[in-house]
Amino acid sequence: GENVEQHPSTLSVQEGDSAVIKCTYSDSASNYFPWYKQELGKRPQLIIDIRSNVGEKKDQRIAVTLNKTAKHFSLHITETQPEDSAVYFCAAGGGGSYIPTFGRGTSLIVHP
Amino acid sequence: ETGVTQTPRHLVMGMTNKKSLKCEQHLGHNAMYWYKQSAKKPLELMFVYNFKEQTENNSVPSRFSPECPNSSHLFLHLHTLQPEDSALYLCASSQALTSENEQYFGPGTRLTVT
Repeated sequence: GENVEQHPSTLSVQEGDSAVIKCTYSDSASNYFPWYKQELGKRPQLIIDIRSNVGEKKDQRIAVTLNKTAKHFSLHITETQPEDSAVYFCAAGGGGSYIPTFGRGTSLIVHP
Repeated sequence: ETGVTQTPRHLVMGMTNKKSLKCEQHLGHNAMYWYKQSAKKPLELMFVYNFKEQTENNSVPSRFSPECPNSSHLFLHLHTLQPEDSALYLCASSQALTSENEQYFGPGTRLTVT
């Protein structure tokens, strides 16, 4: 089955800095890579996703890149703000399983 | 707030109690899921239902018993739980049972077993 590794587990940055979270996956058939954000005490919510027919996707301050050859994808947040503080989960889907496989999560802390 | 609601939001129960968690989705989705989220651990998929039929039981102990009477409602019946079962239980739904669909999560039930 699919295996998703996510790093780092914790990331601490100063407000205004950039943050990068990386994930690798094992199933070369996977073709859908969503990212979820879970603020403290709240539900996980989809913030951006990418499909394997594109290498990069941007939405304001967040972007996701995908390298299918290397089987890794990353979330980039620029000009971080305190409200970006949350746990971020990557996931991989569309391969052999009908259920997405989630990474372990990254706790992002943005210091004002 | 969103189309997936869960009740209760918080639950404290003793190991000999029987309780149920409820999830309802108003999105017209066909697939529903139960996840367990413990501190410092990844999301653990517990059960999957598609068109109210169970398609996945991820080796969950029998003290957790799911029920899906229709595509909009999902229950998790709890009995004889252990303290290590204390966690946030998240319900989710998706348009179809495919890993390429967004999962819409409910707010979760914070369960404490004493």
